[in-house]
Amino acid sequence: AQSVSQHNHHVILSEAASLELGCNYSYGGTVNLFWYVQYPGQHLQLLLKYFSGDPLVKGIKGFEAEFIKSKFSFNLRKPSVQWSDTAEYFCAASLSSNTGKLIFGQGTTLQVKP
Amino acid sequence: EPEVTQTPSHQVTQMGQEVILRCVPISNHLYFYWYRQILGQKVEFLVSFYNNEISEKSEIFDDQFSVERPDGSNFTLKIRSTKLEDSAMYFCASRGGAHINEQFFGPGTRLTVL
Repeated sequence: AQSVSQHNHHVILSEAASLELGCNYSYGGTVNLFWYVQYPGQHLQLLLKYFSGDPLVKGIKGFEAEFIKSKFSFNLRKPSVQWSDTAEYFCAASLSSNTGKLIFGQGTTLQVKP
Repeated sequence: EPEVTQTPSHQVTQMGQEVILRCVPISNHLYFYWYRQILGQKVEFLVSFYNNEISEKSEIFDDQFSVERPDGSNFTLKIRSTKLEDSAMYFCASRGGAHINEQFFGPGTRLTVL
């Protein structure tokens, strides 16, 4: 079955620490991969996406993610987090060939201490 | 910047009652989705809609659920006879076209069934 899993449910970091959030997917075909962020009280917003090409993708607010096909992974990274990065982060995947429905991971709550 | 809107932001209803959740997708988008998130759980796909018909639905989307695009701008989700377990956050999303894979999400409607 298609699934997305995020390894970390709750992460607490100090400002300026580096961040890596894990995401693995199980899909048989060509996948599109996404990271969404939900700041407190706000919409889900797209941070970055991977469709094809360079496996290292850069998104907004200094975030990046690397698609490693052999590991079925799409981990999110940021070299130096800020207090304003406190939010919930969702990894999601869709098959290129289907209706575009997204399968989400469980989400990771990131708390950045000032 | 265009955005997806949803109304109401919070709906409280009695078990067995019908509810209609409303969404206004981004105006030139062609693909529409409903997702839900039960408190503490994953965001789950419910249904996708394209060209005035359902293109895919999940197991959750049973006969109690229906979707409609009544007037070319609104996209509604109806639950005919609500159950306690329907209590969740319901998100609407829209996508521009077949080769545009980013989905834009609305702020959600929190449905509470008593």
